[in-house]
Amino acid sequence: DGGITQSPKYLFRKEGQNVTLSCEQNLNHDAMYWYRQDPGQGLRLIYYSQIVNDFQKGDIAEGYSVSREKKESFPLTVTSAQKNPTAFYLCASKSGGLEQFFGPGTRLTVL
Amino acid sequence: AQTVTQSQPEMSVQEAETVTLSCTYDTSESDYYLFWYKQPPSRQMILVIRQEAYKQQNATENRFSVNFQKAAKSFSLKISDSQLGDAAMYFCAYRALMEYGNKLVFGAGTILRVKS
Repeated sequence: DGGITQSPKYLFRKEGQNVTLSCEQNLNHDAMYWYRQDPGQGLRLIYYSQIVNDFQKGDIAEGYSVSREKKESFPLTVTSAQKNPTAFYLCASKSGGLEQFFGPGTRLTVL
Repeated sequence: AQTVTQSQPEMSVQEAETVTLSCTYDTSESDYYLFWYKQPPSRQMILVIRQEAYKQQNATENRFSVNFQKAAKSFSLKISDSQLGDAAMYFCAYRALMEYGNKLVFGAGTILRVKS
């Protein structure tokens, strides 16, 4: 089955630690996106990538980093510089059509 | 910058009745796309319906339809014959036609509760 997978579903991190969220897609999509969801604020764009080895900052990139070494993978690292990392993180991908397809999300909690 | 506003944090509807969710947006572009996404308790985002701004005809998908008013920059979602499975958070989203990255701008969402 084609789709987007995110792992883990739940992630706990101690303050001051970096953590990497996984996003993999087997849809052969060129574009991939990372969003952050907080209560009452909808989804906000963190980073996006239109092609392998290229990515751009979204609206709230501070404290995050990404890489795009393979077409199917777009991992997001939440660094210790992110002041309020507890949130729900969604990955999405898109082909040449209009629709972005979303993964199931990762809930990150900082202890 | 484009913004999307959903002024109703929560809405309730009786099963089998009709409900309308509101969305307004601000843009200086003339060509763009608008979307409604549904996020049920599983938190999986699902596309409900989309509208191309150059099309005057309102989009419909089974029980879901939109009222697109381009001049007023309004894009409301009507759900007819509401079902328990419609209970979810609904997000309105905007995408500029020619902007690099095909980025979506989301509203804050509306929680829809369906009463049996």
